[in-house]
Amino acid sequence: AAGVIQSPRHLIKEKRETATLKCYPIPRHDTVYWYQQGPGQDPQFLISFYEKMQSDKGSIPDRFSAQQFSDYHSELNMSSLELGDSALYFCASSNRDGTRGRAGEQYFGPGTRLTVT
Amino acid sequence: SQKIEQNSEALNIQEGKTATLTCNYTNYSPAYLQWYRQDPGRGPVFLLLIRENEKEKRKERLKVTFDTTLKQSLFHITASQPADSATYLCALEGSGYSTLTFGKGTMLLVSP
Repeated sequence: AAGVIQSPRHLIKEKRETATLKCYPIPRHDTVYWYQQGPGQDPQFLISFYEKMQSDKGSIPDRFSAQQFSDYHSELNMSSLELGDSALYFCASSNRDGTRGRAGEQYFGPGTRLTVT
Repeated sequence: SQKIEQNSEALNIQEGKTATLTCNYTNYSPAYLQWYRQDPGRGPVFLLLIRENEKEKRKERLKVTFDTTLKQSLFHITASQPADSATYLCALEGSGYSTLTFGKGTMLLVSP
């Protein structure tokens, strides 16, 4: 079965540079989520998209933005990178509970490890 | 504010025993609760979802209970194997209607 694809898998950037992470959700999933996970931390929700429209916003810094395109892939754009942005970034996709719109089970990609030096 | 608590200490058990992990939450009235497995450097993998009107759910060697009165979920792995060693995360609806908030996870170590 197709899984969530993320690229690149590893990324090294310097402070104040920009980075773009890409996510290709499981086909026919209607919702994409982005998470940030620091070392030893739980995944922190950043932002989500439902049917290509921004749905919910979590602890996403103003320096970050994201969008979902017509082919359902999503990109997380990160600018003015800081050392503290070094983390694993996961994308997940799901189908919402159709009757109530709640987040169903989520399928995570392998992640992008971002290192800011 | 909403809070999810999982035992931060690693759980060490011997192969063949039953592992029991706990997830407690406060200031929540979730419609459901989910459990995920995460291996180092990899994305969480969905295991089980249990709804508020379900007391127990099973899948192969896994069993989850959900007590909305105690605000607690227990996650059991029976006949544990070294391959079960991983961090297990519980997740509840976040502040957004369609988002999840994760606990910090409990590391399970199963020794042969």
